[in-house]
Amino acid sequence: DVKVTQSSRYLVKRTGEKVFLECVQDMDHENMFWYRQDPGLGLRLIYFSYDVKMKEKGDIPEGYSVSREKKERFSLILESASTNQTSMYLCASSLGHTRLYYGYTFGSGTRLTVV
Amino acid sequence: AQSVSQHNHHVILSEAASLELGCNYSYGGTVNLFWYVQYPGQHLQLLLKYFSGDPLVKGIKGFEAEFIKSKFSFNLRKPSVQWSDTAEYFCAVTHNYGQNFVFGPGTRLSVLP
Repeated sequence: DVKVTQSSRYLVKRTGEKVFLECVQDMDHENMFWYRQDPGLGLRLIYFSYDVKMKEKGDIPEGYSVSREKKERFSLILESASTNQTSMYLCASSLGHTRLYYGYTFGSGTRLTVV
Repeated sequence: AQSVSQHNHHVILSEAASLELGCNYSYGGTVNLFWYVQYPGQHLQLLLKYFSGDPLVKGIKGFEAEFIKSKFSFNLRKPSVQWSDTAEYFCAVTHNYGQNFVFGPGTRLSVLP
């Protein structure tokens, strides 16, 4: 069974803090993604990565950065957390180009509250 | 840019009622279409998908969806819902050569026992 593991289920951080959200997958997937999920807005893509050290901006990258030093790990970084970044963050992974037929595998999510 | 719309924000049904959740997309080229489900407190799971061939696709737990190219639609159906179908349902679209999905805003389904 493919597993995507997000390090924290719930996080509470203060405004201005630097926040790291970690995601690890164990099936050698090429692609990894970070989404945020907000009621009524669905899932919005923040960043994704096709390969180690590769990253691409998604639809809402402002205020975020990412790191992919190893194939199995994809980190989302909030450089200076703000209250409008309070959200559910979802990590996903998939096989690479032309193999999206198999879809994404999602992690369980990290609910981040910025106070 | 691709966009995906879902007609209903929240649908409330009684058990055994029939279900149809609407999904429309804006992209005019070749598309691949997915429905994901998120049960309360759980991660998103793939329900079904369309890549090519028969436009009527069957998924898990008795769900099916029909791709109607002329209407840019991929509606999800189930003839008789159960209480355990209570969840949030997301339609997602990708182009053949794309590597990421565009998700709709989701439809919350509540099934009353």
